[in-house]
Amino acid sequence: DVKVTQSSRYLVKRTGEKVFLECVQDMDHENMFWYRQDPGLGLRLIYFSYDVKMKEKGDIPEGYSVSREKKERFSLILESASTNQTSMYLCASSLTGTEQFFGPGTRLTVL
Amino acid sequence: EDQVTQSPEALRLQEGESSSLNCSYTVSGLRGLFWYRQDPGKGPEFLFTLYSAGEEKEKERLKATLTKKESFLHITAPKPEDSATYLCAVRGNTNAGKSTFGDGTTLTVKP
Repeated sequence: DVKVTQSSRYLVKRTGEKVFLECVQDMDHENMFWYRQDPGLGLRLIYFSYDVKMKEKGDIPEGYSVSREKKERFSLILESASTNQTSMYLCASSLTGTEQFFGPGTRLTVL
Repeated sequence: EDQVTQSPEALRLQEGESSSLNCSYTVSGLRGLFWYRQDPGKGPEFLFTLYSAGEEKEKERLKATLTKKESFLHITAPKPEDSATYLCAVRGNTNAGKSTFGDGTTLTVKP
Protein backbone atom coordinates (compact mmCIF):
# COMPACT_ATOMS: atom_id res chain seq x y z
CA ASP A 1 0.00 0.00 0.00
CA VAL A 2 1.10 3.51 -0.79
CA LYS A 3 1.86 5.50 2.31
CA VAL A 4 2.04 9.27 2.45
CA THR A 5 2.96 10.73 5.81
CA GLN A 6 2.92 14.33 7.00
CA SER A 7 5.08 15.60 9.81
CA SER A 8 2.30 16.93 12.05
CA ARG A 9 -1.44 16.43 12.38
CA TYR A 10 -1.95 19.70 14.24
CA LEU A 11 0.28 22.76 14.35
CA VAL A 12 -0.12 26.15 16.03
CA LYS A 13 2.18 29.00 15.01
CA ARG A 14 2.36 32.75 15.54
CA THR A 15 2.08 35.42 12.85
CA GLY A 16 5.43 36.05 11.21
CA GLU A 17 6.97 32.68 12.06
CA LYS A 18 8.60 30.54 9.39
CA VAL A 19 6.72 27.25 9.12
CA PHE A 20 7.87 23.97 7.58
CA LEU A 21 5.44 21.24 6.61
CA GLU A 22 7.03 17.97 5.57
CA CYS A 23 5.63 15.18 3.45
CA VAL A 24 7.16 11.77 2.74
CA GLN A 25 5.94 9.06 0.36
CA ASP A 26 7.25 5.51 0.15
CA MET A 27 6.21 4.44 -3.38
CA ASP A 28 8.84 6.06 -5.58
CA HIS A 29 6.24 8.41 -7.13
CA GLU A 30 7.66 11.14 -9.33
CA ASN A 31 4.81 13.61 -8.70
CA MET A 32 4.10 15.26 -5.38
CA PHE A 33 1.55 17.94 -4.55
CA TRP A 34 0.63 20.40 -1.81
CA TYR A 35 -2.99 21.54 -1.42
CA ARG A 36 -4.88 23.59 1.08
CA GLN A 37 -8.51 22.87 1.85
CA ASP A 38 -10.91 25.42 3.31
CA PRO A 39 -14.67 25.15 3.90
CA GLY A 40 -16.57 26.24 0.81
CA LEU A 41 -13.39 26.59 -1.31
CA GLY A 42 -12.55 22.97 -1.97
CA LEU A 43 -9.05 21.68 -2.65
CA ARG A 44 -6.70 24.32 -4.04
CA LEU A 45 -3.30 23.43 -5.45
CA ILE A 46 -0.41 25.41 -3.99
CA TYR A 47 2.60 23.80 -5.68
CA PHE A 48 3.49 20.58 -7.33
CA SER A 49 6.73 18.81 -8.23
CA TYR A 50 7.23 16.34 -11.06
CA ASP A 51 10.82 15.44 -10.25
CA VAL A 52 13.59 16.10 -7.76
CA LYS A 53 14.43 19.80 -7.61
CA MET A 54 11.60 20.56 -10.08
CA LYS A 55 8.54 22.53 -9.07
CA GLU A 56 5.58 24.29 -10.62
CA LYS A 57 3.26 26.88 -9.16
CA GLY A 58 -0.31 25.84 -8.62
CA ASP A 59 -3.33 28.08 -8.29
CA ILE A 60 -2.39 29.85 -5.04
CA PRO A 61 1.41 29.93 -4.60
CA GLU A 62 1.63 33.38 -3.02
CA GLY A 63 3.15 33.29 0.45
CA TYR A 64 4.46 29.74 0.02
CA SER A 65 7.59 28.06 -1.28
CA VAL A 66 8.56 24.41 -1.66
CA SER A 67 11.62 22.21 -1.62
CA ARG A 68 12.21 18.78 -3.10
CA GLU A 69 15.79 17.62 -2.54
CA LYS A 70 14.96 13.90 -2.52
CA LYS A 71 12.35 12.02 -4.51
CA GLU A 72 10.43 10.84 -1.47
CA ARG A 73 10.25 14.15 0.38
CA PHE A 74 8.39 17.36 -0.48
CA SER A 75 8.39 20.30 1.91
CA LEU A 76 6.05 23.27 2.03
CA ILE A 77 7.43 26.45 3.56
CA LEU A 78 5.47 29.42 4.83
CA GLU A 79 8.13 32.16 4.86
CA SER A 80 6.19 34.45 7.22
CA ALA A 81 2.97 32.89 8.46
CA SER A 82 -0.18 34.98 8.41
CA THR A 83 -3.61 34.36 9.89
CA ASN A 84 -5.13 33.84 6.43
CA GLN A 85 -2.90 30.79 6.06
CA THR A 86 -4.82 28.99 8.79
CA SER A 87 -6.08 25.92 6.95
CA MET A 88 -5.91 22.17 6.42
CA TYR A 89 -2.83 21.31 4.34
CA LEU A 90 -2.81 18.12 2.33
CA CYS A 91 0.10 16.44 0.60
CA ALA A 92 -0.36 13.90 -2.20
CA SER A 93 1.79 11.82 -4.52
CA SER A 94 1.21 9.99 -7.79
CA LEU A 95 2.77 8.33 -10.76
CA THR A 96 2.32 10.44 -13.88
CA GLY A 97 -1.24 10.23 -15.17
CA THR A 98 -2.63 8.21 -12.32
CA GLU A 99 -4.61 8.74 -9.18
CA GLN A 100 -3.19 10.72 -6.28
CA PHE A 101 -2.61 9.28 -2.83
CA PHE A 102 -3.09 11.72 0.01
CA GLY A 103 -1.57 12.06 3.43
CA PRO A 104 -3.64 12.52 6.60
CA GLY A 105 -3.38 16.31 6.50
CA THR A 106 -1.94 18.98 8.79
CA ARG A 107 -4.34 21.39 10.42
CA LEU A 108 -2.38 24.62 10.80
CA THR A 109 -3.57 27.45 13.00
CA VAL A 110 -1.77 30.80 12.79
CA LEU A 111 -2.46 33.10 15.75
CA GLU B 1 -9.12 25.32 -18.61
CA ASP B 2 -10.44 22.08 -17.13
CA GLN B 3 -13.57 22.38 -15.00
CA VAL B 4 -15.41 20.02 -12.65
CA THR B 5 -18.87 20.63 -11.16
CA GLN B 6 -20.37 18.27 -8.64
CA SER B 7 -24.02 18.06 -7.65
CA PRO B 8 -25.76 18.09 -5.34
CA GLU B 9 -23.60 19.88 -2.76
CA ALA B 10 -25.20 17.82 0.00
CA LEU B 11 -27.35 14.70 -0.01
CA ARG B 12 -29.18 13.14 2.89
CA LEU B 13 -30.42 9.57 2.53
CA GLN B 14 -32.08 7.02 4.71
CA GLU B 15 -30.19 3.78 5.16
CA GLY B 16 -31.02 1.56 2.18
CA GLU B 17 -32.18 4.44 -0.03
CA SER B 18 -30.15 4.25 -3.26
CA SER B 19 -29.12 7.41 -5.12
CA SER B 20 -26.51 8.92 -7.44
CA LEU B 21 -23.95 11.72 -7.25
CA ASN B 22 -23.11 13.68 -10.38
CA CYS B 23 -19.79 14.99 -11.67
CA SER B 24 -19.95 17.15 -14.82
CA TYR B 25 -16.67 18.02 -16.46
CA THR B 26 -15.04 19.86 -19.32
CA VAL B 27 -11.50 18.85 -20.15
CA SER B 28 -9.10 19.04 -23.03
CA GLY B 29 -8.45 15.38 -23.81
CA LEU B 30 -9.54 13.29 -20.83
CA ARG B 31 -6.64 11.27 -19.43
CA GLY B 32 -8.52 10.07 -16.36
CA LEU B 33 -11.50 10.78 -14.11
CA PHE B 34 -10.99 10.00 -10.43
CA TRP B 35 -13.36 9.53 -7.51
CA TYR B 36 -12.22 9.97 -3.90
CA ARG B 37 -13.89 9.63 -0.53
CA GLN B 38 -13.00 12.05 2.28
CA ASP B 39 -13.95 11.62 5.92
CA PRO B 40 -14.01 14.70 8.18
CA GLY B 41 -10.54 15.82 9.24
CA LYS B 42 -8.76 13.28 7.01
CA GLY B 43 -7.13 13.23 3.60
CA PRO B 44 -9.08 11.99 0.55
CA GLU B 45 -8.96 8.27 -0.13
CA PHE B 46 -8.82 7.05 -3.72
CA LEU B 47 -11.82 5.02 -4.93
CA PHE B 48 -11.88 4.69 -8.74
CA THR B 49 -10.26 5.75 -11.98
CA LEU B 50 -12.24 5.85 -15.23
CA TYR B 51 -10.54 6.46 -18.56
CA SER B 52 -13.12 6.31 -21.33
CA ALA B 53 -16.85 6.76 -21.95
CA GLY B 54 -18.82 3.63 -21.18
CA GLU B 55 -16.40 2.41 -18.56
CA GLU B 56 -17.76 1.29 -15.18
CA LYS B 57 -16.05 0.36 -11.90
CA GLU B 58 -17.59 -1.17 -8.78
CA LYS B 59 -16.58 -1.51 -5.16
CA GLU B 60 -19.00 -2.82 -2.56
CA ARG B 61 -22.05 -0.51 -2.65
CA LEU B 62 -20.43 2.02 -5.01
CA LYS B 63 -20.46 2.01 -8.79
CA ALA B 64 -18.87 4.70 -10.94
CA THR B 65 -19.85 5.30 -14.57
CA LEU B 66 -18.51 7.65 -17.23
CA THR B 67 -19.90 9.44 -20.29
CA LYS B 68 -18.23 12.06 -22.45
CA LYS B 69 -19.55 14.89 -20.29
CA GLU B 70 -20.22 13.46 -16.85
CA SER B 71 -19.65 10.73 -14.34
CA PHE B 72 -22.04 9.26 -11.81
CA LEU B 73 -21.29 7.62 -8.50
CA HIS B 74 -24.19 5.30 -7.77
CA ILE B 75 -24.68 4.24 -4.17
CA THR B 76 -26.82 1.15 -3.70
CA ALA B 77 -28.50 0.48 -0.35
CA PRO B 78 -26.18 2.85 1.54
CA LYS B 79 -25.21 2.39 5.17
CA PRO B 80 -24.36 5.06 7.75
CA GLU B 81 -20.66 4.27 7.29
CA ASP B 82 -20.93 5.51 3.69
CA SER B 83 -21.40 9.04 5.06
CA ALA B 84 -18.51 11.16 3.75
CA THR B 85 -17.65 13.80 1.18
CA TYR B 86 -17.13 12.37 -2.30
CA LEU B 87 -14.73 14.24 -4.57
CA CYS B 88 -14.42 13.99 -8.34
CA ALA B 89 -11.30 15.03 -10.26
CA VAL B 90 -10.19 15.03 -13.88
CA ARG B 91 -6.85 15.08 -15.61
CA GLY B 92 -6.56 16.39 -19.13
CA ASN B 93 -3.72 16.13 -21.59
CA THR B 94 -2.60 19.70 -20.98
CA ASN B 95 -2.22 19.48 -17.23
CA ALA B 96 1.21 17.94 -16.85
CA GLY B 97 0.25 15.50 -14.15
CA LYS B 98 -2.11 17.76 -12.22
CA SER B 99 -5.78 17.06 -11.53
CA THR B 100 -8.68 19.50 -11.31
CA PHE B 101 -10.97 18.76 -8.37
CA GLY B 102 -14.65 19.47 -7.86
CA ASP B 103 -15.94 20.87 -4.59
CA GLY B 104 -17.46 17.55 -3.56
CA THR B 105 -20.82 16.13 -2.49
CA THR B 106 -21.35 15.59 1.23
CA LEU B 107 -23.38 12.46 1.77
CA THR B 108 -25.16 11.75 5.05
CA VAL B 109 -26.85 8.39 5.52
CA LYS B 110 -29.21 8.19 8.48
CA PRO B 111 -29.98 4.88 10.17
